[in-house]
Amino acid sequence: GENVEQHPSTLSVQEGDSAVIKCTYSDSASNYFPWYKQELGKRPQLIIDIRSNVGEKKDQRIAVTLNKTAKHFSLHITETQPEDSAVYFCAASPRNNDMRFGAGTRLTVKP
Amino acid sequence: GAVVSQHPSRVICKSGTSVKIECRSLDFQATTMFWYRQFPKQSLMLMATSNEGSKATYEQGVEKDKFLINHASLTLSTLTVTSAHPEDSSFYICSARRITGGLLNTEAFFGQGTRLTVV
Repeated sequence: GENVEQHPSTLSVQEGDSAVIKCTYSDSASNYFPWYKQELGKRPQLIIDIRSNVGEKKDQRIAVTLNKTAKHFSLHITETQPEDSAVYFCAASPRNNDMRFGAGTRLTVKP
Repeated sequence: GAVVSQHPSRVICKSGTSVKIECRSLDFQATTMFWYRQFPKQSLMLMATSNEGSKATYEQGVEKDKFLINHASLTLSTLTVTSAHPEDSSFYICSARRITGGLLNTEAFFGQGTRLTVV
């Protein structure tokens, strides 16, 4: 089955700096790659997603890149703010319904 | 976005008892729902896929007789933790995906989760 690896597990940046989180996946059939943000005690919320027919997608301060050949995708957050502090999960979906998550990255943005 | 409601949000039960957790899609029909377990500071581990009108598909290592899943309608799936033990204490969270414009591989919407504590 699909296996998703995520790095780093923790990331601390200064407010205003950029943050990058990287994920790799194993199943070449995966065609949907979402990123979720989870604040403490709350449900995961989708922040951005990308499909396998696109190499890059941007939404304001957030961008995701996908390299299908290398089977890796990355989340980029620019001009970080303290409210960006949370746990971020990448995921890969190899079939119409299944979704597998990475281990998560705890991002801390220091004011 | 779509709304998925999970109930209860917190439950404390005694060892040996059973606990039922409900997951409802409020504004869309979900033929498939997913149940995850999340340990503190860890990722979401898929436990099983709940299919409306048929048996659930369990992930390797998940006991189907212990974690009973029923998907009786297009908007409701239930997870019952039977004969609960302290090691079953965890955060359980469900999700559902909505078919959008014919696309099957789309965003997953999560319930708010259930914090189960077995004493």
